[in-house]
Amino acid sequence: GENVEQHPSTLSVQEGDSAVIKCTYSDSASNYFPWYKQELGKGPQLIIDIRSNVGEKKDQRIAVTLNKTAKHFSLHITETQPEDSAVYFCAASTGNQGGKLIFGQGTELSVKP
Amino acid sequence: DSGVTQTPKHLITATGQRVTLRCSPRSGDLSVYWYQQSLDQGLQFLIQYYNGEERAKGNILERFSAQQFPDLHSELNLSSLELGDSALYFCASSVSREGSPLHFGNGTRLTVT
Repeated sequence: GENVEQHPSTLSVQEGDSAVIKCTYSDSASNYFPWYKQELGKGPQLIIDIRSNVGEKKDQRIAVTLNKTAKHFSLHITETQPEDSAVYFCAASTGNQGGKLIFGQGTELSVKP
Repeated sequence: DSGVTQTPKHLITATGQRVTLRCSPRSGDLSVYWYQQSLDQGLQFLIQYYNGEERAKGNILERFSAQQFPDLHSELNLSSLELGDSALYFCASSVSREGSPLHFGNGTRLTVT
């Protein structure tokens, strides 16, 4: 079945710097790749997603890139702020398996003022 | 606020007992997913229902069962509880069977003593 690997497990940056989180997936049939932010005591919140027919997508300070050949996708956060501190999860799904998401293990991002 | 409601927020029970977790999906969403989040296993997919019918199954134990009712709310039943069942249980909903974003509730924290 699908497996998603996420790196790094922890990431510490200074406010204003950029942060990059990387994921690889195993199932070449995967076609949907969302990213979630989870704050303490809350559920995962969808922040951006990308489908396999698109190579890059941007939403203000957040961008996601997808390399289907390498089965690799990344989250880029620019001009980080302390409120960006949270755990970030990547995920992948294949359209013919009910839309279930397989998650990476998460990255704990800490943005220091 | 994702619009997905989970009750109760916290549940403390003893080994061998049975509990029921409840989820109300976002208005208009037909799919409900259940996930388990533990420190060592990350976010693990348990089961998906679409419009009242089971759509996909993950690594759900035989002691666990779920259903989706005609009003689209869902319940996850956990029986013969073990210490290792202590975890956060999340419900997510989406509009369709597959290919649409999942929106998560804030979870039920289950503690088995």
